This record gives sequence, structure tokens and C-alpha cells, in this order.
Amino acid sequence: DIQLTQSPSFLSASVGDRVTITCRASQDIISFLAWYQQEPGKAPKLLIDAASTLQSGVPSRFSGSGSGTEFTLTISSLQPEDFATYYCQHLYTYPRTFGPGTKVDL
Amino acid sequence: EVLLLESGGSFVQPGGSLRLSCAASGFAFSSYAMSWVRQAPGKGLEWVSVISGSGRSIYYADSVRGRFTISRDNSKNTVHLQMNSLRAEDAAVYYCAKRGDGYNRPLEYWGQGTLVTVSS
Repeated sequence: DIQLTQSPSFLSASVGDRVTITCRASQDIISFLAWYQQEPGKAPKLLIDAASTLQSGVPSRFSGSGSGTEFTLTISSLQPEDFATYYCQHLYTYPRTFGPGTKVDL
Repeated sequence: EVLLLESGGSFVQPGGSLRLSCAASGFAFSSYAMSWVRQAPGKGLEWVSVISGSGRSIYYADSVRGRFTISRDNSKNTVHLQMNSLRAEDAAVYYCAKRGDGYNRPLEYWGQGTLVTVSS
């Protein structure tokens, strides 16, 4: 099975900060990676597909990059509504494992 | 508008069984694979299972294989998760999610989840 790691696991930031989260896969997954945002008590929301394709309605301050085994999610200027937990998930094969998550807190 | 509504979550003792359901609307249900994802209290997301639109292709996480069974009824736009031999570590919020169109697509839409509690 493909394993995903995320770093950092916790990130303390302020409004306006540039934030970068890294997701690493245990094998080459080409660009088959998604990023999700989960606010407390809510269902996850898809942000980015295919490593870098922003979903409709997602603010342009979010961006994704990477291929192979290393991927990043960047928030260019953190807004109050962005304080949440972020998960990566590989889309290469099954089982579709998630990364352990990165909590972005104030 | 895509809507996914989970039901069936409840309190159950270890070794017991539970059947979760997810009612879908707002899209051509039989054309899309559906997944279950769970989240234990205070923990991260764990992918559980997926079933193709036709129902012919099914995959499970190692942690539930042999105990959980996913199925779907395309005439009723519903997907189910039959959970047997439940363990304390199966306690979680269970989310139903719609996969995008294609094998390598993400989970585009999610329900609000249903809570399963396993305790003696």
C-alpha cells in the first residue's frame, strides 16, 4: 500500500502569512494527488485535484504543486477561514490512503 | 445540487453489526463510484471502501476487509456499508463520498457523516 506523510503536523500562523504544507508518498504517484480542507465538525472539502488543479470556487490563494513523490499545498495569504486541517490523499490505486493531516492554527 | 445523506449510525457493542446507508441525489448515481471514509474521534481521515457505478468493482481497506461489505442499489440511489464483527477501533464518523468521473479522480462531494459508537 502507498503511504503518505505530511509535514508539519501542526502549523501556527497568522492572518496574511504564506503557508506551505508538504505531502510525501512512499512511491511514485505521478500527479495523482488531492488536497482536502476540513473545518472542525464539518465534512472534508476538496480543494485541489491532480496535484495542482484548483476546484471551482476555491480561492486562488490556494495552490498545489509537485509530482512523483513530493507535493506541496501553499496558501499565499492566510485568511481567518483557512484555519483548518488539511489532508492529502493519493489517487493512484486502491487503497486510497490519506496523509495524517496538518492542522493550521492561529 | 449533489446531496449525500448518511444514516444508520448508532451505538453497538463489540462484536455487533450495523448497516449504514447513504442516499444520493442531484447526479446520475449509477455512473459514479461511491466511497466510505471514516474518522475516529480526534483523528485523521481513513479511507474504508469504494464501489464502482455498476457495483462490479469493489475495494476495501485492510483494516475492514472480511468484516465490512459495501453495496449499492442503483434503483434507489443508495449505497450501503454492512459492518460486522465491530471493534472498538471502528468507532468513528462515517462519511459517504462521491468520486469524480474516472479511476484516478478524487472524492468531489461528501455527506455530513453518521456516528458509529462501539463500546461495551
